[in-house]
Amino acid sequence: KAGVTQTPRYLIKTRGQQVTLSCSPISGHRSVSWYQQTPGQGLQFLFEYFSETQRNKGNFPGRFSGRQFSNSRSEMNVSTLELGDSALYLCASSQDGKGYTFGSGTRLTVV
Amino acid sequence: EDQVTQSPEALRLQEGESSSLNCSYTVSGLRGLFWYRQDPGKGPEFLFTLYSAGEEKEKERLKATLTKKESFLHITAPKPEDSATYLCAVQGAGAGSYQLTFGKGTKLSVIP
Repeated sequence: KAGVTQTPRYLIKTRGQQVTLSCSPISGHRSVSWYQQTPGQGLQFLFEYFSETQRNKGNFPGRFSGRQFSNSRSEMNVSTLELGDSALYLCASSQDGKGYTFGSGTRLTVV
Repeated sequence: EDQVTQSPEALRLQEGESSSLNCSYTVSGLRGLFWYRQDPGKGPEFLFTLYSAGEEKEKERLKATLTKKESFLHITAPKPEDSATYLCAVQGAGAGSYQLTFGKGTKLSVIP
């Protein structure tokens, strides 16, 4: 059974640019969540999608957005990148909201 | 607002020296408390889910317990391969019931 797949694994972007990250959940899982992990703040919730609908959103600026497709794959977008957006972005999928399986993450570096 | 505090921040143990990690939490209606292990550069790896006070779960050298205010992760006779950061998270039953709130983690180092 394939796990949660995140692409790309590493990204280097320049301040002001935008970036799109992709997440393919475990087959059959309809819920996809996104988290930002930094050394100072730890893991912080960005948003959660279920059947193409956003059900929860964390306390992040509007520059952070996401969407989910009909096949449950999800993307998150960060516009007008800032140095502070450098982090490990993690995606997690769940079948019933009782267990969350994480991907290996996308390491974003903003220079 | 759900909150999770983990202690200690870092722990060094000799191989075979048992110890416990603490996770204190406040949540509006607990749907689940989760323990994860995270190795450097990787995503969190699921260990346990606990749902109600008094519940215990075991896996190899790890045992997780839950009370109404805290959870403990007991590590018995640890080995160097148990070195990792251990994360605790809660899922509440309130408005944020579709998100996990994480603690900052405990970085465990097991010395041979």
